[in-house]
Amino acid sequence: QKEVEQNSGPLSVPEGAIASLNCTYSDRVSQSFFWYRQYSGKSPELIMSIYSNGDKEDGRFTAQLNKASQYVSLLIRDSQPSDSATYLCAVNAANSGGSNYKLTFGKGTLLTVNP
Amino acid sequence: EPEVTQTPSHQVTQMGQEVILRCVPISNHLYFYWYRQILGQKVEFLVSFYNNEISEKSEIFDDQFSVERPDGSNFTLKIRSTKLEDSAMYFCASKVQAGLYGYTFGSGTRLTVV
Repeated sequence: QKEVEQNSGPLSVPEGAIASLNCTYSDRVSQSFFWYRQYSGKSPELIMSIYSNGDKEDGRFTAQLNKASQYVSLLIRDSQPSDSATYLCAVNAANSGGSNYKLTFGKGTLLTVNP
Repeated sequence: EPEVTQTPSHQVTQMGQEVILRCVPISNHLYFYWYRQILGQKVEFLVSFYNNEISEKSEIFDDQFSVERPDGSNFTLKIRSTKLEDSAMYFCASKVQAGLYGYTFGSGTRLTVV
């Protein structure tokens, strides 16, 4: 069973702080990794993708990947109240036929940014 | 920005009835998916569809479920005889090309089986 685990929330940070979200995955052949943001009652929205070890920065967001440790994280700098949402880690491994690319999601971490 | 469109946004149906959830993927996308999310639980993969056929389906996607792309634009999920446990948000998603890229989700259909 391929699992994606996220640190249990909820996570509460003050406005302007750094929020750190963590995720581990069990399937070593996983090849790409995503962070989605989901507001309550809404669909997942892709905010970051990362494919190789190291850091990837996009504005206030930084994704970090360590394939040896099977670990991926998301840092949100200068957190804003509008960042309050559930953050979903998702992992993708192509099936043997190469035409699938399904995502396996973690349960998500609820982030609250307090003004 | 192109969107994946889903209709209806909310559907209430009686147990045992058939429902069809509709999706219009982004026009140049080639890979299509259905996911569901039971309230408070993980987003779960149901089925992937490429080149007019199912490429993978999960254990959830049993004989009661089917997908179709009847006219080159719509992508539908049919549940033949709904059960109470089918109540969930159903998300359609699509992506443009092969390769390990993220994909775009639609806004979802909340299905309530009573």
